[in-house]
Amino acid sequence: GEDVEQSLFLSVREGDSSVINCTYTDSSSTYLYWYKQEPGAGLQLLTYIFSNMDMKQDQRLTVLLNKKDKHLSLRIADTQTGDSAIYFCAESRGYNKLIFGAGTRLAVHP
Amino acid sequence: DGGITQSPKYLFRKEGQNVTLSCEQNLNHDAMYWYRQDPGQGLRLIYYSQIVNDFQKGDIAEGYSVSREKKESFPLTVTSAQKNPTAFYLCASSMTVDEQFFGPGTRLTVL
Repeated sequence: GEDVEQSLFLSVREGDSSVINCTYTDSSSTYLYWYKQEPGAGLQLLTYIFSNMDMKQDQRLTVLLNKKDKHLSLRIADTQTGDSAIYFCAESRGYNKLIFGAGTRLAVHP
Repeated sequence: DGGITQSPKYLFRKEGQNVTLSCEQNLNHDAMYWYRQDPGQGLRLIYYSQIVNDFQKGDIAEGYSVSREKKESFPLTVTSAQKNPTAFYLCASSMTVDEQFFGPGTRLTVL
């Protein structure tokens, strides 16, 4: 199919790790992205991974890529209330074209 | 400060009216994009432009029009032919095949 799929909702306790999962469809995608959207705002690029990588770490964020299964995950360590937002996975498909998932709403509770 | 600006933040339209959403960037990016976001859905591409005076339809172009007369500006017109225009509209720009930078969005409501 054409869709990038994500679970719609995740709830975690403050201080725990969050893992947001995504499956994509195009094995030729060059880059895969994670964006964050806070209420009423635009999207902010969090991180991206090149398709020939398995893992990328950036401070509290860890991205894992399983190309065989077309599975991408974003792990947020020590999740804080400020991490509450919608997280979008996106794959590059052709020049400058991104295909987005529906977004995962992360709720962080005390 | 470099970035992308969109105006207005909120826009109300009566049925049958055309409205134009503004998008300006001072990042010197070649490519610009318009997306539509509906609740519980991902972003869907309306139009994109890779260079001045050129643009292409995205996945949901019907009922919309754009122009790209200047590198820094990519206005979107929502015409009366768009049957369900109430949505959050996001503009983005990019220099290469890498990341797209997004504006803060315009929320359009049809009364």
